[in-house]
Amino acid sequence: DIQMTQSPASLSASLGETISIECRASEDVYSNLAWYQQKSGKSPQLLIYAANRLQDGVPSRFSGSGSGTQFSLKISGMQPEDEGDYFCLQGSNFPYTFGAGTKLELK
Amino acid sequence: QVQLQQSGAELAKPGSSVKISCKASGYTFTSYYISWIKQTTGQGLEYIGYINTGSGGTNYNEKFKGKATLTVDKSSSTAFMQLSSLTPDDSAVYYCARDYYDGYYWYFDFWGPGTMVTVSS
Repeated sequence: DIQMTQSPASLSASLGETISIECRASEDVYSNLAWYQQKSGKSPQLLIYAANRLQDGVPSRFSGSGSGTQFSLKISGMQPEDEGDYFCLQGSNFPYTFGAGTKLELK
Repeated sequence: QVQLQQSGAELAKPGSSVKISCKASGYTFTSYYISWIKQTTGQGLEYIGYINTGSGGTNYNEKFKGKATLTVDKSSSTAFMQLSSLTPDDSAVYYCARDYYDGYYWYFDFWGPGTMVTVSS
C-alpha cells in the first residue's frame, strides 16, 4: 500500500496568516491527490482534487500544488472558519490511502 | 443536491454483526460507485472498499476482507456494509462516500454523515 506522510500534525495560525500543509507519498501518485477539510463532528468536505483543482464552492484562498510524491495545501489568509482537520487522499493505487491529518487551530 | 443519508449509531456485542445503510439521493445512483471508510482516533482514516452500484461488483482492501461485506439495493438507491465478528477494534465511525472516477482521477466528492459503531460487552 502507498503510505501518505502528512505534516505537520498540528498547526496554530493567526487570522490572515498563510499556512501550508504537506503530504508525501511513498510512491509516485502522479497528480491523483485530493485534500479534505473535516470540522469537529462532521464528515469530510472535498477542497482540492487532481492535486490543484479547486472543488466548486470552495473559497479561492485554498490552493493545492505538487505532483509525483510531494504535495501541499496552502491557505492564503487564515479565517476562523478554517479551523479543523485536514487530510490528503491518494487515488492512484488501490487501496486508496489517507494522510494522518493536520489539526489547524486559530491562534 | 447530492445527499448520502446513513443509518443511526449501533451498539453491538463482541462476536455479533451490524449492517449499516447509506441511502443516496440527488443524482443517478448507478452512475457512481460507493466507497466505505473507517475513522478512528488512533488509526485515522482507513479505506475499506467500494461497490459498483450498477453491477454489484466489489473491491476490498485486503485488510477488511472477511470483515466487511458490501451490497447494494438499486431499487432504493441504498448501499449497505455489513461488519461481522465484531471486536472492540471495530469501534469507529464509518462513512460512505460517492466515488468520482473519470478514468484517471479517483476521489470521494460527497460523504455521508457517518455511522458510529461501538462494540462492547
